[in-house]
Amino acid sequence: EAGVVQSPRYKIIEKKQPVAFWCNPISGHNTLYWYRQNLGQGPELLIRYENEEAVDDSQLPKDRFSAERLKGVDSTLKIQPAELGDSAVYLCASSHGFGTGPNEQFFGPGTRLTVL
Amino acid sequence: GQSLEQPSEVTAVEGAIVQINCTYQTSGFYGLSWYQQHDGGAPTFLSYNGLDGLEETGRFSSFLSRSDSYGYLLLQELQMKDSASYFCAVLNDYKLSFGAGTTVTVRA
Repeated sequence: EAGVVQSPRYKIIEKKQPVAFWCNPISGHNTLYWYRQNLGQGPELLIRYENEEAVDDSQLPKDRFSAERLKGVDSTLKIQPAELGDSAVYLCASSHGFGTGPNEQFFGPGTRLTVL
Repeated sequence: GQSLEQPSEVTAVEGAIVQINCTYQTSGFYGLSWYQQHDGGAPTFLSYNGLDGLEETGRFSSFLSRSDSYGYLLLQELQMKDSASYFCAVLNDYKLSFGAGTTVTVRA
């Protein structure tokens, strides 16, 4: 079974530039999560999708961050414009629906973003 | 709001036993999960406790006491490959909230 795929693995941009991250979850997983992980910290949830619906985006900085999950499979997370404080690892995870799903999430390798 | 507390670092020798404690404050608590993350890698699921008591999975065990808002992860027969960060995470409202992690260093 293929794992969660993310691209790119690394991204270096100048501040005020836009950036986008892509995620392909495990086949059959209807729940998709985007997290941000700062150095030395645990992952922090940005947004959770159930199929194509964003059911929890309370922690997404909506002034500059946006996300979509068209057709309930792949997802993209965008930052525009990026700020220095956005430097972090952006992790995508997926899981089965509620039941045993949310506690066992499968993470991708992440995209390490550096904003200069 | 919610908070999780776990030690920042633990060092032990190969073959030893390490216990990582996690205390939490949250509302709508469903259970406690544990994840392992090697440097530069993805977090991987280790265990989940939805009920009080001990869950054992090979060399790793996890414990939960709901009344004490406390859990721990027990790593037995430590191996060099167990050097990693370990995160406790509370499950509530269908989402996980992670602690800051405990870095475990295993020495030969």
